[in-house]
Amino acid sequence: NAGVTQTPKFQVLKTGQSMTLQCAQDMNHNSMYWYRQDPGMGLRLIYYSASEGTTDKGEVPNGYNVSRLNKREFSLRLESAAPSQTSVYFCASREQGRAEAFFGQGTRLTVV
Amino acid sequence: AQSVTQLGSHVSVSEGALVLLRCNYSSSVPPYLFWYVQYPNQGLQLLLKYTTGATLVKGINGFEAEFKKSETSFHLTKPSAHMSDAAEYFCAVTSNFGNEKLTFGTGTRLTIIP
Repeated sequence: NAGVTQTPKFQVLKTGQSMTLQCAQDMNHNSMYWYRQDPGMGLRLIYYSASEGTTDKGEVPNGYNVSRLNKREFSLRLESAAPSQTSVYFCASREQGRAEAFFGQGTRLTVV
Repeated sequence: AQSVTQLGSHVSVSEGALVLLRCNYSSSVPPYLFWYVQYPNQGLQLLLKYTTGATLVKGINGFEAEFKKSETSFHLTKPSAHMSDAAEYFCAVTSNFGNEKLTFGTGTRLTIIP
């Protein structure tokens, strides 16, 4: 009964370092999403993938790259981390159309 | 394009009082609308959703919301607040016209006063 699994749960990076946030879902969903959550700003969409092999930019894609490795996995990469990328990152997945999204537990990232 | 506006970043109500959290949406096509709840240090979980059909939808924990197309609103209500309702609530919109984008509002933090 895993649902959406994100790793790691916590991470501290130095400015300029790179890292990849991993997300996997076991519900056979087509669509997957990466959001960042910052105080007072709600959830802002970074990138999403409507199906395996496709990705699209959301509201705040700068500084990030994504890979939809297969139907299960959708990773988010920070090539050169900046303090402005300190945030809580959530991965979500859903079937298409009217279906609701299911969320992971989040990754709390601090860039110093 | 689609967007969601949640009026009131913080709402406080007394225990037993009516809860009303406001959500207005903008969508160029018929929307699908959702309310999610987030407890501290957790992910989001679905409270309720509107897709088609009945405009008054009921969700978990006694919450309900009414889709009003003429007002482009989808406000969340609960007749009697409970201490366990303290959380952050998010409204979200998507559509079924080939664009799988799912857009959230900025959230409303609900505080329950004993």
